[in-house]
Amino acid sequence: QSALTQPASVSGSPGQSITISCTGTSSDVGSYNLVSWYQQHPGKAPKLMIYEGSKRPSGVSNRFSGSKSGNTASLTISGLQAEDEADYYCCSYAGSSTFDVVFGGGTKLTVL
Amino acid sequence: QLQLQESGPGLVKPSETLSLTCTVSGGSISSSSYYWGWIRQPPGKGLEWIGSIYYSGSTYYNPSLKSRVTISVDTSKNQFSLKLSSVTAADTAVYYCAGGGDEFDPWGQGTLVTVSS
Repeated sequence: QSALTQPASVSGSPGQSITISCTGTSSDVGSYNLVSWYQQHPGKAPKLMIYEGSKRPSGVSNRFSGSKSGNTASLTISGLQAEDEADYYCCSYAGSSTFDVVFGGGTKLTVL
Repeated sequence: QLQLQESGPGLVKPSETLSLTCTVSGGSISSSSYYWGWIRQPPGKGLEWIGSIYYSGSTYYNPSLKSRVTISVDTSKNQFSLKLSSVTAADTAVYYCAGGGDEFDPWGQGTLVTVSS
């Protein structure tokens, strides 16, 4: 079980769009449509932003969207706002032979 | 609106057992998210899944922690619990409980557990 790979940091200006990638393997991201994304502000608990690859929980802005291609999942944030500055984590079910869950290392988003 | 709250000692000695409880309010632990999980975050680092439990009691653990972890549920108290044995300084982290098995929502506020003598 290895952590999913995310870029350490991304940045963008207000109003722009950014995409955070999350690369796994054929044993996790590539095999299941069970990728979730979390936003974490400093000192706060993570918040679910996307589940099952592309679904948004009630109350999450439609500026947040998720997708997947092969072994890589992506989170896109459009119309960047200052409040989007936070750490973002991807997560995937990875249970080929047994129930397993793996997180990405996290990406720090800076809004310039 | 489901709410989760972690409780337990903030300081544990090396080689001892870390014990935390998560109290669920705003809904029944038996009928809400069905799965309940524990996730931890060492200071300044990323998230790590510890394990999840189905409300009926079936458990699923991170293979790297499996030998030291026990998660249980008490439906009468609307709580689920984490025990991590033989702790070392590497187990120092903020421990979160959350609803869900492989996707997590909602989350508790987290509790910092420090392993130190």
